[in-house]
Parts: sequence; structure tokens; C-alpha cells
Amino acid sequence: QQPVQSPQAVILREGEDAVINCSSSKALYSVHWYRQKHGEAPIFLMILLKGGEQKGHDKISASFNEKKQQSSLYLTASQLSYSGTYFCGTADSWGKLQFGAGTQVVVTP
Amino acid sequence: GAGVSQSPRYKVAKRGQDVALRCDPISGHVSLFWYQQALGQGPEFLTYFQNEAQLDKSGLPSDRFFAERPEGSVSTLKIQRTQQEDSAVYLCASSQLGGTFPSYEQYFGPGTRLTVT
Repeated sequence: QQPVQSPQAVILREGEDAVINCSSSKALYSVHWYRQKHGEAPIFLMILLKGGEQKGHDKISASFNEKKQQSSLYLTASQLSYSGTYFCGTADSWGKLQFGAGTQVVVTP
Repeated sequence: GAGVSQSPRYKVAKRGQDVALRCDPISGHVSLFWYQQALGQGPEFLTYFQNEAQLDKSGLPSDRFFAERPEGSVSTLKIQRTQQEDSAVYLCASSQLGGTFPSYEQYFGPGTRLTVT
């Protein structure tokens, strides 16, 4: 069952903050976040692992609540380059990811 | 270094034709995944290889879909007798290590946009 993302879309002005949420109905081993621009490959942003380990880019922050099976991605002081569709992928075992439907982010000048 | 590449980038097929989509993963990556992405949706898992072994093909929608990775590097996704519902972007991704390491990021290719008319 795919994770549920919210909101579906968000419009920001440059410099504003936003939070994207991802929740699953099943126990998770890891949560992966990707950003995809139109017509391009999804780009890896971050992995959050059960137990608290995180791997990703310095300018991106996220949280993973294992008990609630939820993750949040924080876009801080947004830049124009942050525009795109953000996907969370959840893994309960060997790495097979199930992706949410995506959150479209538009950052305006 | 070179990323994941896919070819062709665009493919138009008439209903009933067979198509073959190619994926060149990052050199040395053990795992290779195929996904199908419908318009406005996230990628959906199709199949997974660890080296040349196809360990999971549970996401393939029908027996018209077939994937191979004979030498553990390049992979081909073949769709026989294409139908309109096969129209989608087909993404390939590779990952450094195999199976029991869901902590490793997947690197995606740009995808092949298949349109079946």
C-alpha cells in the first residue's frame, strides 16, 4: 500500500518555509525522499532510517517518527530551485520502495 | 561520473507492437530497478535485479512484460503486444548494493516515455 503525502500542492514565495508529510499504514524500515522536475529523473534528497540515522544533503532536513510511521520534509528559506514534485518512498524490507503520489511545490520570486 | 542512462527517451508504438526499453545503470551498481510512472503519480515498482538475478517481478502488470539483465549490467524491459494502458514513463534506477540494504539511495535515469496509439 502506497504512502500518503500531504499537501498535494503548495505555492511559496522565495524565502518561505514549507513542510511536506508522508505517512504509511505499515511498519517502516526507511523513508526516502526524491525531487523530480518535469521531464527529468527523480533526484535523491534524503534517506531516514529506523533507529535515527539520516543520509542526505546538508540543506535538506527531515524527520522520521517510527512509531507513527510518518516522515516530514522541511523546506527552509525556499529557493526557486526547490520547485518540483517531491516524492516520499517507503521501504519495509530489502529496498523495494513504494512511492506516494507526490507533492507539487512551486516557489515564486 | 556518468549517471543512469535510458534509451530511447521517447517511443511511440502502435497498439499490438512489441517494444524494448534499455537501461544502462551506474557502473558497478549491483541493484537495478524498473518503475512505471503514470502521469501525475509516483513511480510504481515493476521488477528488481541483483546482478543478473531477477529477485522480484511482482510488479509486472501482465505476462506481456518481461525484463532481463543477462550480464549483470545493462537491462532491457520488453513489452509485447502493447496496449494503450501501457502508456507511461518507464524509469530505471540503480543502487550501489543489493537486496538487504534499503538504506542505500537509488539513482534514477531520465526515463522512457512510451505512448501507445
